Amino acid sequence: AQSVTQPDIHITVSEGASLELRCNYSYGATPYLFWYVQSPGQGLQLLLKYFSGDTLVQGIKGFEAEFKRSQSSFNLRKPSVHWSDAAEYFCAVGPFSGNTGKLIFGQGTTLQVKP
Amino acid sequence: EAGVAQSPRYKIIEKRQSVAFWCNPISGHATLYWYQQILGQGPKLLIQFQNNGVVDDSQLPKDRFSAERLKGVDSTLKIQPAKLEDSAVYLCASSSSPGHQETQYFGPGTRLLVL
Repeated sequence: AQSVTQPDIHITVSEGASLELRCNYSYGATPYLFWYVQSPGQGLQLLLKYFSGDTLVQGIKGFEAEFKRSQSSFNLRKPSVHWSDAAEYFCAVGPFSGNTGKLIFGQGTTLQVKP
Repeated sequence: EAGVAQSPRYKIIEKRQSVAFWCNPISGHATLYWYQQILGQGPKLLIQFQNNGVVDDSQLPKDRFSAERLKGVDSTLKIQPAKLEDSAVYLCASSSSPGHQETQYFGPGTRLLVL
């Protein structure tokens, strides 16, 4: 069965420091991979997605993620964190199957940014 | 462009009562999703509609949950009777077409507390 693991439930970084959020997936083939961000009281917003091709994906708000097939990972990175990046981040996998758009989410990583 | 609208934003009910949530997707979006997000977990897909037809409802607890999208636009999710474990945020999302190539846009969610 497909699954997504985000090993870090909570991460605290200082403003201006670099950030890496980990994501590992379990799937038999190369899945569609996503990162979403959720601010308090708001819905999820797509940061970036990977379908195929270049394994380094650029997203919005200065985020990027790298797909590593050998490690079944899709880690999210940002070189310099801003206080407004404090939120919850979800990694998701989308099994390819016809018309289904079903996303399987990890449990999320809460990011706290220290001034 | 208006986003996905949901109402109510908050609802408190007692167990065994019924409750309904409403979702208005982005104009022109044929695909609509309902997700359940329990505290501390990632969202889980309950049901996916394509226009007014169901694509995937494999994780919908059909003994108590029902959903409809009669005219292929707005959708209603109902719980009857509610249980304590139904306390969660119910997220609605829409996309222009099914499949993972199209971005899912999420609404702010309805937070349900069952006492």
